[in-house]
Amino acid sequence: SQELEQSPQSLIVQEGKNLTINCTSSKTLYGLYWYKQKYGEGLIFLMMLQKGGEEKSHEKITAKLDEKKQQSSLHITASQPSHAGIYLCGADMAGNTGKLIFGQGTTLQVKP
Amino acid sequence: EPEVTQTPSHQVTQMGQEVILRCVPISNHLYFYWYRQILGQKVEFLVSFYNNEISEKSEIFDDQFSVERPDGSNFTLKIRSTKLEDSAMYFCASSLQGHSGNTIYFGEGSWLTVV
Repeated sequence: SQELEQSPQSLIVQEGKNLTINCTSSKTLYGLYWYKQKYGEGLIFLMMLQKGGEEKSHEKITAKLDEKKQQSSLHITASQPSHAGIYLCGADMAGNTGKLIFGQGTTLQVKP
Repeated sequence: EPEVTQTPSHQVTQMGQEVILRCVPISNHLYFYWYRQILGQKVEFLVSFYNNEISEKSEIFDDQFSVERPDGSNFTLKIRSTKLEDSAMYFCASSLQGHSGNTIYFGEGSWLTVV
């Protein structure tokens, strides 16, 4: 089945600490998207990765897609309370439809 | 920054009633999508739409669901006879192209509660 697993399911970190969220697929990914969601709200686009080994950064968030294109990680450096929310990875597993399969999400709390 | 807008933000409806959820995709985008998220569950793909046709639909998107682009700016999801299990957050999304590598932008969502 087309499954995308995220780990950890939830995370509580002290402000200023670094953290990593992982997203793993059993199949090769054509594209991997990271979104942030606040509870009950919309999905905010963070980054998209397409090429094996690709890495992108925006402010204090870095996302990588491994060479085999089956795993991605999202790394937050020096976390802040504004980073709190639910991080979702979404994968394009077909390459030509724009249909995304989502992971179950990782809930991040940042303690001041 | 351009955004996908959705209305209503919340709707409560009686079981069996028809509901129309509305979306205004980003103006130059050509591909449109509906997703849903049942409380506590994953975001699930419902349907993709391009050139006034459904491109792909999931098994969730059965005969009670329909989509339409009634004019040049709106994209709607109609649920014909709502059931309790249709209660969810419905997200509209759009992208410039449909193939891999195109950013898919999501709206704020419409909470639907069926009672």
